[in-house]
Amino acid sequence: AQKVTQAQTEISVVEKEDVTLDCVYETRDTTYYLFWYKQPPSGELVFLIRRNSFDEQNEISGRYSWNFQKSTSSFNFTITASQVVDSAVYFCALSESTGGGNKLTFGTGTQLKVEL
Amino acid sequence: EPEVTQTPSHQVTQMGQEVILRCVPISNHLYFYWYRQILGQKVEFLVSFYNNEISEKSEIFDDQFSVERPDGSNFTLKIRSTKLEDSAMYFCASSVVRQGVIEQYFGPGTRLTVT
Repeated sequence: AQKVTQAQTEISVVEKEDVTLDCVYETRDTTYYLFWYKQPPSGELVFLIRRNSFDEQNEISGRYSWNFQKSTSSFNFTITASQVVDSAVYFCALSESTGGGNKLTFGTGTQLKVEL
Repeated sequence: EPEVTQTPSHQVTQMGQEVILRCVPISNHLYFYWYRQILGQKVEFLVSFYNNEISEKSEIFDDQFSVERPDGSNFTLKIRSTKLEDSAMYFCASSVVRQGVIEQYFGPGTRLTVT
C-alpha cells in the first residue's frame, strides 16, 4: 500500500528565511507520480508540482525548488526567501498508476507560518 | 486554463438529510474522483469513476455514499443520510493521461456542514 509521511506538523519562520518541507513516501510500484499542493486558508488545493518516478532531476520554479531522491524515497520542497503569502498548509501526495486511474494518497500536511 | 467547478461552495444540512454535491469535471478528462478533508486533517480518497462506473473506492465510501454521472458533464456525490461526522470539505477532481503525463485538477471544494 502507498503511504506518504510529512513528519513536520508545523513550521514557523521569519520572512526571508529559507524553509524546507520534508516528504517521505512508500510504494511498491516502479511507476508513480509525486505532487505538492498548497492549501491556503481559503481552502482550495493549489497544484505546485508533479514529478514522475523516472525523472529525478531537481526542479526550480522561482523561489520554489524540489529535491527528488529515489534512494531515500523523499521529495522535499524548499521555499527560498519565504514571504508571508507563503503561509499555508502544504501537502505532498503520491499517485500510483492503477487500473482505477490515478488516485492520490496525501500526507498529513505541514502548516507553514511565515511571520514578519 | 481548464478548471473543475463545484457547487455549492458551502452546504449546511441537518443530520439525517440527503445531500448531493455537484461537480463539472474538465470536458475531455476520463477519470473522476471525490476526496474528503475533515477540518484540520489530510485529504482522503473516497472514490474514482471511469467509463460510467466506480473503478475504485475506499473504506470510507460505504453504502451511504453514491456517485453518478447523470449527463455528459456533471459528476455528483450523494450522501444518503448525513451524519455529524460527514462534515468536511469535499473535493472533486478529474484527470487524463497524455503522453505518459498525468493531468489532474481539483475543484475548489464544497464545504459540507452537518448540524
